[in-house]
Amino acid sequence: GIQVEQSPPDLILQEGANSTLRCNFSDSVNNLQWFHQNPWGQLINLFYIPSGTKQNGRLSATTVATERYSLLYISSSQTTDSGVYFCAVEQSNTGKLIFGQGTTLQVKP
Amino acid sequence: KAGVTQTPRYLIKTRGQQVTLSCSPISGHRSVSWYQQTPGQGLQFLFEYFSETQRNKGNFPGRFSGRQFSNSRSEMNVSTLELGDSALYLCASGRWEVSDTQYFGPGTRLTVL
Repeated sequence: GIQVEQSPPDLILQEGANSTLRCNFSDSVNNLQWFHQNPWGQLINLFYIPSGTKQNGRLSATTVATERYSLLYISSSQTTDSGVYFCAVEQSNTGKLIFGQGTTLQVKP
Repeated sequence: KAGVTQTPRYLIKTRGQQVTLSCSPISGHRSVSWYQQTPGQGLQFLFEYFSETQRNKGNFPGRFSGRQFSNSRSEMNVSTLELGDSALYLCASGRWEVSDTQYFGPGTRLTVL
């Protein structure tokens, strides 16, 4: 099956810093989504981005499907950005979202 | 519009018992997927339902089952609980299918003693 690898596994930032999270996948996909899981376990959808670039406030994401990776950018990080960031992909027509292992982000005040 | 709701939020069971978890999707969404999250295995796909039919299934034993009702609400059942079934169980809804943006509920945290 498809492999999804996220890097780095852990990241500690000072408030106000910028960061880039990476998601590599081993096969072509027709669906890629980024999620943020808060400390209470709630998964929030950040981006639906099978290809191209999207921006939402301080967050932006880019997926280069031909090279099988996606990047999530967080600018001017805040303590509320802390949590685990997951990317998830659906391999063509499988009907299953496969999640990476996540990047755990801690933003210190 | 109300989000995805899951009940109960917390559950403690003993080995050998069975458990039923419930998920109500966002109004108008017809696809409901279930995931198991554990520290060791991460987030793993259990199954997906659409129009009361299981459309996709992950690699879990037959002790894990589910169903969907005509109002799109879904339940999952785990029989003969094992210690390893302790996990956060998350459901997600999408308008039509997994390829649509997925919205997750808050999860049910199951502890098996």
